[in-house]
Amino acid sequence: EPEVTQTPSHQVTQMGQEVILRCVPISNHLYFYWYRQILGQKVEFLVSFYNNEISEKSEIFDDQFSVERPDGSNFTLKIRSTKLEDSAMYFCASSVSDRAPSTDTQYFGPGTRLTVL
Amino acid sequence: QKEVEQDPGPLSVPEGAIVSLNCTYSNSAFQYFMWYRQYSRKGPELLMYTYSSGNKEDGRFTAQVDKSSKYISLFIRDSQPSDSATYLCAMSWDSSASKIIFGSGTRLSIRP
Repeated sequence: EPEVTQTPSHQVTQMGQEVILRCVPISNHLYFYWYRQILGQKVEFLVSFYNNEISEKSEIFDDQFSVERPDGSNFTLKIRSTKLEDSAMYFCASSVSDRAPSTDTQYFGPGTRLTVL
Repeated sequence: QKEVEQDPGPLSVPEGAIVSLNCTYSNSAFQYFMWYRQYSRKGPELLMYTYSSGNKEDGRFTAQVDKSSKYISLFIRDSQPSDSATYLCAMSWDSSASKIIFGSGTRLSIRP
């Protein structure tokens, strides 16, 4: 069964450093998402991406964040200057349409645990 | 008041028991109600989805929505050790994936 993959599984970085989290969505999916889950807290929407553009973003997704689809398979989340409060699990998801879950299902990757020291 | 509230558990029940998981919410505009299952070191996986009020059944799983009480439930019949996971409720006011509000999750353990 096709699945969303994410690398690395765990990233440790120093405050102020740039990090890039990588995702490979399911190959025929057109919509891509990043979510964040701070330890012990809720899963929170960050951004959605379609046709090489950001479709929607939340208040969390400020100028420190950017997303890119550099080639036909990868989808990346970059944090330019990491802060302690960026420490969280970051989930990538993809779907065929943006009408999830009413007519479609989002498939989530296993997540990247980001630790900012 | 938080938009979506969910008891974090942990909830431990013997194999074969009926499990009841619940969430309450405050926003009466929510129309789409979902339950996700999240195994350890995995991302959330959509289990059940309901639009507006009513019940929905899928195998051993039943989702119920009571909009008048702003209360949703997930029942698991004949629970199995493989059902041990964190269960997240989620809801939104339109069908856009970006509008989904998640609960904090209930950790469920099924004892063999």
